[in-house]
Amino acid sequence: DVVMTQSPLSLPVTLGQPASISCRSSQSLVHSDGNTYLNWFQQRPGQSPRRLIYKVSNRDSGVPDRFSGSGSGTDFTLKISRVEAEDVGVYYCMQGTHWPLTFGGGTKVEIK
Amino acid sequence: QVQLVESGGGLVKPGGSLRLSCATSGFTFSDYYMSWIRQAPGKGLEWVSYISSSSSTIYYADSVKGRFTISRDNAKNSLYLQMNSLRAEDTAVYHCATYSSSSSFDHWGQGTLVTVSS
Repeated sequence: DVVMTQSPLSLPVTLGQPASISCRSSQSLVHSDGNTYLNWFQQRPGQSPRRLIYKVSNRDSGVPDRFSGSGSGTDFTLKISRVEAEDVGVYYCMQGTHWPLTFGGGTKVEIK
Repeated sequence: QVQLVESGGGLVKPGGSLRLSCATSGFTFSDYYMSWIRQAPGKGLEWVSYISSSSSTIYYADSVKGRFTISRDNAKNSLYLQMNSLRAEDTAVYHCATYSSSSSFDHWGQGTLVTVSS
């Protein structure tokens, strides 16, 4: 199975400051069709997960442009350009290239 | 708008069974692949099972293979998860989700809590 490793586990951030979350996979996430199926989800306290980013860098409809995804192969990053109070929660990366589908362990973003 | 509403969770003894349902609306259910994902209390997300739009392709996580059965009724716009031989480690909130062509989960339900305890 592909192991997804996120860091840091916890990320205290000052409002208005940037934040960055790393996600590394134990195998390349480049599919035989040429796509890289790396996704990012946000889970606010008490809510269901919500997808933010699909295929590395594509933002979902309604996702603020302060969220961006980048990376390739086995190394990926989610960046928040200026953290707002509503961004508090746990962020998960997830790979959709190989079965079984696997998630990272999560990064908890909190306000300092 | 897309709505996914899970039901059927509850308290069950180890070795027992439960059947979860996911009622959907706001989209053409028969066109969509679907999945179940679970989250143990205070823990991360774990993919459980996948079913294609016609039920021709089904996958399970190793942790539930042989015990859980995913199914769907396209006429009723509903997804199901039959869970047998339940264990304490199956305790979790179970979410149904649409599985998109980008190999991802684009819409999620609010989840239903399954507690396995004697």
